[in-house]
Amino acid sequence: AQTVTQSQPEMSVQEAETVTLSCTYDTSENNYYLFWYKQPPSRQMILVIRQEAYKQQNATENRFSVNFQKAAKSFSLKISDSQLGDTAMYFCAFISGGGADGLTFGKGTHLIIQP
Amino acid sequence: NAGVTQTPKFQVLKTGQSMTLQCAQDMNHEYMSWYRQDPGMGLRLIHYSVGAGITDQGEVPNGYNVSRSTTEDFPLRLLSAAPSQTSVYFCASSYRPPAAGQRDEQYFGPGTRLTVT
Repeated sequence: AQTVTQSQPEMSVQEAETVTLSCTYDTSENNYYLFWYKQPPSRQMILVIRQEAYKQQNATENRFSVNFQKAAKSFSLKISDSQLGDTAMYFCAFISGGGADGLTFGKGTHLIIQP
Repeated sequence: NAGVTQTPKFQVLKTGQSMTLQCAQDMNHEYMSWYRQDPGMGLRLIHYSVGAGITDQGEVPNGYNVSRSTTEDFPLRLLSAAPSQTSVYFCASSYRPPAAGQRDEQYFGPGTRLTVT
């Protein structure tokens, strides 16, 4: 079974700063996908970014980018020019490419953007 | 499209009561799943379905039943509610059953907050 670990329960940065959220995972599979989800106080789960394990290039989505280190099983999220609306819980998640067993989530990082 | 809808948004049950959490999607997604979210934890998979008539257990299935009679609906039944089932429940769906290769984005519903006293 795979596990996902987020070692930062809470982080706080000033608006416009850059922040990096950490995520490590453990799996014996070679084909899988990794995700970062955002959960604001509204509780809605919002996909921020995804990464296919077979792609070496790091995914980017506007101000959001990842540092995917497959050998180290590390998948960090960088948020540039942080905004007040980025305040939320952020979850790292894993899904295998070979099975129907759903997403495995980390415990989350509560990110607070200070004005 | 309404996306993934869940009803009710909030529910309070007494221990031993039964109820059904409703989940529906209008995107013709084959794959649907139920997760629960407890404080300080990420979401954990309860049950999933790869298509109408097919369901299987996830990480935490005990105390829950599911069925999938149509593509659109995937209800979650609590047979005899217990305080340990107090949680926020999320339904999710995606186009294709997960398989080796391309994996589709999962769309999440807004969640149901359930309290069992």
